[in-house]
Amino acid sequence: EPEVTQTPSHQVTQMGQEVILRCVPISNHLYFYWYRQILGQKVEFLVSFYNNEISEKSEIFDDQFSVERPDGSNFTLKIRSTKLEDSAMYFCASSEGRMNTEAFFGQGTRLTVV
Amino acid sequence: AQSVTQLGSHVSVSEGALVLLRCNYSSSVPPYLFWYVQYPNQGLQLLLKYTSAATLVKGINGFEAEFKKSETSFHLTKPSAHMSDAAEYFCAVSGTTNFGNEKLTFGTGTRLTIIP
Repeated sequence: EPEVTQTPSHQVTQMGQEVILRCVPISNHLYFYWYRQILGQKVEFLVSFYNNEISEKSEIFDDQFSVERPDGSNFTLKIRSTKLEDSAMYFCASSEGRMNTEAFFGQGTRLTVV
Repeated sequence: AQSVTQLGSHVSVSEGALVLLRCNYSSSVPPYLFWYVQYPNQGLQLLLKYTSAATLVKGINGFEAEFKKSETSFHLTKPSAHMSDAAEYFCAVSGTTNFGNEKLTFGTGTRLTIIP
């Protein structure tokens, strides 16, 4: 069964450092998303991406964040200068299309900023 | 704007008992509603979804949910709880955005504990 894969599963980084979280969405999917879940809190939408551009972003997704689809398979989230409050589980998701199509989630990357 | 409210951050039921997890939604457009499950140290797995085809939706692992527009609810039920059902459950809503990408708005989650 096709699945969304994320690497690494856990990353520890020092405050101020740049991190790149990687995702391989399901191959025929056209819409890509990043969500995050701070420990003990709900899952929050960060950004959606379609046709090589951001289609929507939340207020969390400030200038420190960027997304890219550098090739035909990968979808990355970059945090330019990490802060302690960026520590969270980051989930990548992808879906075939609009409206009621299911979003498939990856296993997540746990980012710990120290 | 859409939102969901999950009543009860923690629910405990005995093995074999009825599971009822509550979700109420708010949406300015006809909603699409989802229940996701998250097992410890794992990602989010779709249990079921409501997309206006039928108000009673059956999902995986014996779960089902009923969409009630009059009550703006989409409660998740399972007739008989199993130990393997212990997990965090998230209700989510999506709706039309400008580009058609369907971002999900999640509830705060309900942790289900099964008592042997």
